Amino acid sequence: AQTVTQSQPEMSVQEAETVTLSCTYDTSENNYYLFWYKQPPSRQMILVIRQEAYKQQNATENRFSVNFQKAAKSFSLKISDSQLGDTAMYFCTMGAQKLVFGQGTRLTINP
Amino acid sequence: GAVVSQHPSRVICKSGTSVKIECRSLDFQATTMFWYRQFPKQSLMLMATSNEGSKATYEQGVEKDKFLINHASLTLSTLTVTSAHPEDSSFYICSAPRDRGLEKLFFGSGTQLSVL
Repeated sequence: AQTVTQSQPEMSVQEAETVTLSCTYDTSENNYYLFWYKQPPSRQMILVIRQEAYKQQNATENRFSVNFQKAAKSFSLKISDSQLGDTAMYFCTMGAQKLVFGQGTRLTINP
Repeated sequence: GAVVSQHPSRVICKSGTSVKIECRSLDFQATTMFWYRQFPKQSLMLMATSNEGSKATYEQGVEKDKFLINHASLTLSTLTVTSAHPEDSSFYICSAPRDRGLEKLFFGSGTQLSVL
């Protein structure tokens, strides 16, 4: 069975700071995808970043980057120059045929 | 870009009635649709996977007779909550991969079901 663990229920940083959200997972699959999704108060799921497990290079999307450690089954998200609009619930998720979601981290960016 | 349209966005019903939620892929063919449930301040829990032309695959603990899933065409999947009870009140979300695999996955906007 696949499991995803986000150990930080809540985080809060000042605007423009850098913040890292942690995520660990467990799977017996060798090829799978990992994602970070953002869920603002509207509850629409918004893709933040995607990583294919077979790629060693860490994915980056503008201010968002990941630290993917396949052997350690770790997939953390770094947000640089955080903005007020980054305030949301962030979910780490992974899977091969279907996704399993972590518990979520509520991130608050303070002005 | 690819869009999954989910309706209704909000529904209130009386206990014992049935409610249907629709998810449509607007500009791609979705052979698979995932249905999730999200309770307040909790994560998304996969309920079932619907496949066009075949029976849905339900996750352990999800009642098949209560949550009826029909994938009638390559662009439409429906979830019917039968004989709804207050404990079924939740946020329901669908998602569909555009291609084979999960690389490009698109989510509906969700349906808030409130059962009185």
